[in-house]
Amino acid sequence: KNQVEQSPQSLIILEGKNCTLQCNYTVSPFSNLRWYKQDTGRGPVSLTIMTFSENTKSNGRYTATLDADTKQSSLHITASQLSDSASYICVVSAKNAGNMLTFGGGTRLMVKP
Amino acid sequence: EAGVTQFPSHSVIEKGQTVTLRCDPISGHDNLYWYRRVMGKEIKFLLHFVKESKQDESGMPNNRFLAERTGGTYSTLKVQPAELEDSGVYFCASSQDGGIYNEQFFGPGTRLTVL
Repeated sequence: KNQVEQSPQSLIILEGKNCTLQCNYTVSPFSNLRWYKQDTGRGPVSLTIMTFSENTKSNGRYTATLDADTKQSSLHITASQLSDSASYICVVSAKNAGNMLTFGGGTRLMVKP
Repeated sequence: EAGVTQFPSHSVIEKGQTVTLRCDPISGHDNLYWYRRVMGKEIKFLLHFVKESKQDESGMPNNRFLAERTGGTYSTLKVQPAELEDSGVYFCASSQDGGIYNEQFFGPGTRLTVL
């Protein structure tokens, strides 16, 4: 069964600090892995997309890593800002018809001043 | 460029009633997806349209759910009759092509509450 597990479920950090969110998956055959940011009351917005051959990708203060051998990914946020407070969702796509996405439960991040 | 829009943003109905959710994808996007998140669970796939055709509807929970995309533009998702367990947030997403990246753009969701 395709699954995506994220940790921690929630996290509180102080503004300016760094943090790392984790994602483990069992989706097969693997196509790509995405990290989304979802603000309260909004839809998910893509931060990064990585394929099998990519092991790191950055988008501003967000850096995602992928280890396809261990089926793990991380999202590192540098110098956090209050606007980073949101849910971060790891999503894995399998190589099947329709590029079906399997979603993790998300990590709820709160950045405090 | 307008993003994916969904209507209504919230809907509260009683068990047994009918509700229709609407999604307007980004103009020119052939692929349209419906997802939902029930309380405390992860977002799950419902179905995928390519233009007006259903490409994959393996995630539809039962025959009380009917999705249509007449003319390959906007899509509707009807729940009839609604049950308590249908409560959740229904997201629509669209993408331009089905390539390896197939970046999907999400709408803000419709929060459905069945009482």
